[in-house]
Amino acid sequence: DQQVKQNSPSLSVQEGRISILNCDYTNSMFDYFLWYKKYPAEGPTFLISISSIKDKNEDGRFTVFLNKSAKHLSLHIVPSQPGDSAVYFCAASERGGADGLTFGKGTHLIIQP
Amino acid sequence: ETGVTQTPRHLVMGMTNKKSLKCEQHLGHNAMYWYKQSAKKPLELMFVYSLEERVENNSVPSRFSPECPNSSHLFLHLHTLQPEDSALYLCASSQGWDSPYGYTFGSGTRLTVV
Repeated sequence: DQQVKQNSPSLSVQEGRISILNCDYTNSMFDYFLWYKKYPAEGPTFLISISSIKDKNEDGRFTVFLNKSAKHLSLHIVPSQPGDSAVYFCAASERGGADGLTFGKGTHLIIQP
Repeated sequence: ETGVTQTPRHLVMGMTNKKSLKCEQHLGHNAMYWYKQSAKKPLELMFVYSLEERVENNSVPSRFSPECPNSSHLFLHLHTLQPEDSALYLCASSQGWDSPYGYTFGSGTRLTVV
């Protein structure tokens, strides 16, 4: 059973608008959450993360929000740019756990000019 | 250059072949990982090595055999694979196996089993 779920396989957003990518998790032991970005023919690259002691983390155009009670996090990109077109993976980890990062299936974000 | 290099980038092999995937990291990390990415599936963790010792992952078939000769190198030996093993195999490294601070991934090896 998937512990990290990204229910939208793809998302299309107009350039300049806000992109919101969503992620849900089921394991209450997860205490660190990350977003990765992946271009075709490349490995995933780390984008932004958030610890469970916070509910928001911001880095430039990227902001991650965490709602622990709902077991939900989201990535906001504003304003969206053509170079943001990629697959975005949500990942979670349990500090001290031996299972590495648990990933979602990814959401393909397409920024339209 | 991501600091994690995987070779080859592409590999086509028959079901009776034996091949190896190689991963090398130049980041001074002490944990390395193999992940498998199949179409429409999440990245699946296959193996974890911490300080060159393997953390068991019992769900991976024995036709996949990892090897970590030192903290900078990781191999995945393949033998008698099945067509459903065709996937993108990603290597990653991190500072500590329980580090929550994210992994650095290689570009992957696209494996096709025919």
